[in-house]
Amino acid sequence: RKEVEQDPGPFNVPEGATVAFNCTYSNSASQSFFWYRQDCRKEPKLLMSVYSSGNEDGRFTAQLNRASQYISLLIRDSKLSDSATYLCVVNIPNTGNQFYFGTGTSLTVIP
Amino acid sequence: DVKVTQSSRYLVKRTGEKVFLECVQDMDHENMFWYRQDPGLGLRLIYFSYDVKMKEKGDIPEGYSVSREKKERFSLILESASTNQTSMYLCASSTVRGHEKLFFGSGTQLSVL
Repeated sequence: RKEVEQDPGPFNVPEGATVAFNCTYSNSASQSFFWYRQDCRKEPKLLMSVYSSGNEDGRFTAQLNRASQYISLLIRDSKLSDSATYLCVVNIPNTGNQFYFGTGTSLTVIP
Repeated sequence: DVKVTQSSRYLVKRTGEKVFLECVQDMDHENMFWYRQDPGLGLRLIYFSYDVKMKEKGDIPEGYSVSREKKERFSLILESASTNQTSMYLCASSTVRGHEKLFFGSGTQLSVL
């Protein structure tokens, strides 16, 4: 069983749409949670950390549900520039690898 | 801002060559990681290091070795490159203190012919 699972998509949405991605994790010892954005042929870049209380950064909202072991990312008013792959990342302390990745969800925003 | 620098953006090598991929970070991070990323497989951990001269195998260490002689530098070595090592290689670093986050270098696209 994978530590982190995401729907790979692709998600194709029109400009202005709201889109949501979910990610589930299997280890209850997971401590920190992140969404990374990766553009084609580029490195992943931290989009936002995910906190238990939920957090928002402009058009982006991240939420964590520890009981159900999933995290979500909501993008409102999608822009063409939001087209990218979104990676769910989980940190499990005191494990060798520490960071566990989903395979990513591909988003294309269409004009 | 944290900066993780990989020495080459693109590399083309021949089968059997020894290949060195260099990575340097400037934020005094303890942890450094080497990943490879292939379409449909996501990021896979090759090796990581928690301290100078310390290294641990990740999920796919076969065919690779690493060196960490200084805290800021973590090198990935392909002793004898093979075509199945054609991939995007990503270096990353993180701190052990507090809320850990990963910071990536810009990646090296390696093609082995």
